[in-house]
Amino acid sequence: DAGVTQSPTHLIKTRGQQVTLRCSPISGHKSVSWYQQVLGQGPQFIFQYYEKEERGRGNFPDRFSARQFPNYSSELNVNALLLGDSALYLCASSEGPRAMSTEAFFGQGTRLTVV
Amino acid sequence: TQLLEQSPQFLSIQEGENLTVYCNSSSVFSSLQWYRQEPGEGPVLLVTVVTGGEVKKLKRLTFQFGDARKDSSLHITAAQPGDTGLYLCAGLTLTDSWGKLQFGAGTQVVVTP
Repeated sequence: DAGVTQSPTHLIKTRGQQVTLRCSPISGHKSVSWYQQVLGQGPQFIFQYYEKEERGRGNFPDRFSARQFPNYSSELNVNALLLGDSALYLCASSEGPRAMSTEAFFGQGTRLTVV
Repeated sequence: TQLLEQSPQFLSIQEGENLTVYCNSSSVFSSLQWYRQEPGEGPVLLVTVVTGGEVKKLKRLTFQFGDARKDSSLHITAAQPGDTGLYLCAGLTLTDSWGKLQFGAGTQVVVTP
């Protein structure tokens, strides 16, 4: 079975541009969470979606948005990119929104560089 | 700002030595997880501890959850070069409708032959 897949793996954008990152969860998993990992730090929670609805949001500006599709895949959008948005963006998949304790599986991430 | 503090930030040891990584917080968590992350990859779950005072062993790795469910430790016996990686602890906070993982900054472990 395929694990969590994220695309693209690497991306370079210019300040002020917009970016869309994609995540496909493990088959059967209905919940997707997004994390930002800046170099030298641990992942920071951005969003959690379950059954196409936002269940939780971290302390990120409104430039960050996300959505989940009927097939449970998800997109993370970031508008008006800043240099500080450069990071590894991780997607985590779980069966349900409260199942993170034993069933959280991370993708390999998308490395975003803003220049 | 990381809610969980990990120490040390960096650890370099020789193959065969033992090491301990600590994860401390002022918050109580529903459970605490340990992950290992390789460069350019996502974190991989090693273990979840749920009960205060719980000890779990995974081959040469021993994980302990503090009695108050605020802190944890990871002990590796006879470390091998394959143990090299970024070790992350994460506390799980559950509400009625969802759960959130909060990560520490990680401990970079380097094991040299």
